[in-house]
Amino acid sequence: QVQLVQSAAEMRKPGASVKVSCKTSGYIFTNFGIAWVRQAPGQGLEWMGWIPGYESDTNYAQKFQGRVTMTTDISTSIAYLELRSLRSDDTAVYYCAREAVYGSGSDYWGQGTLVTVSS
Amino acid sequence: NGLLTQPRSVSGSPGRTVTISCTRSGGSIASSYVQWYQQRPGSAPTTLIYEDNQRPSGVPDRFSGSIDSSSNSAFLTVSGLKTEDEADYYCQSYDGNNVMFGGGTKLSVL
Repeated sequence: QVQLVQSAAEMRKPGASVKVSCKTSGYIFTNFGIAWVRQAPGQGLEWMGWIPGYESDTNYAQKFQGRVTMTTDISTSIAYLELRSLRSDDTAVYYCAREAVYGSGSDYWGQGTLVTVSS
Repeated sequence: NGLLTQPRSVSGSPGRTVTISCTRSGGSIASSYVQWYQQRPGSAPTTLIYEDNQRPSGVPDRFSGSIDSSSNSAFLTVSGLKTEDEADYYCQSYDGNNVMFGGGTKLSVL
């Protein structure tokens, strides 16, 4: 069965970076992309970007351009999200989700990773 | 850029039917597929509807999706309400450049 398992919660200070992983299984990794979505406490879902499984032609939301990098490791079927220059308003649960084609919608979701940014 | 607007909350009694709207501004609702996600408290979202009206396997047929070009809106209808349907519901679509989510609707089953 399709599974996306994310890394554990992280705590960072303002200005630092964080890298969240999303280990996938149960499907051919290169046949699907991975979307990243975040949710601040008590808020709605916010789309961050999408990367194909074979890692090219990434699409980042304009809001995160220059601060975010999405990568994949085909050998381990793991996707990564790195966010730099963290601010307190980056405190959120970060989700990965399988998405076949950019903009097509997600079918399977990870359990989420809480990233807390605090001095 | 497009924008999706949802009501903040809707409610219904067990066994009744409720409909959640998702109105698009800055583009045609029919230009890209609409997805619907359910998020129960403390849990990750799950996919209820994809490509406007398709249900993934395992999603009960009590959930249905539709679009209406005249109102430029998508709709999620939940029939035979159950207490377990109490959750937040999000619509999602694509405006050709960006993926966008609606602000979410809290469904209360009274």
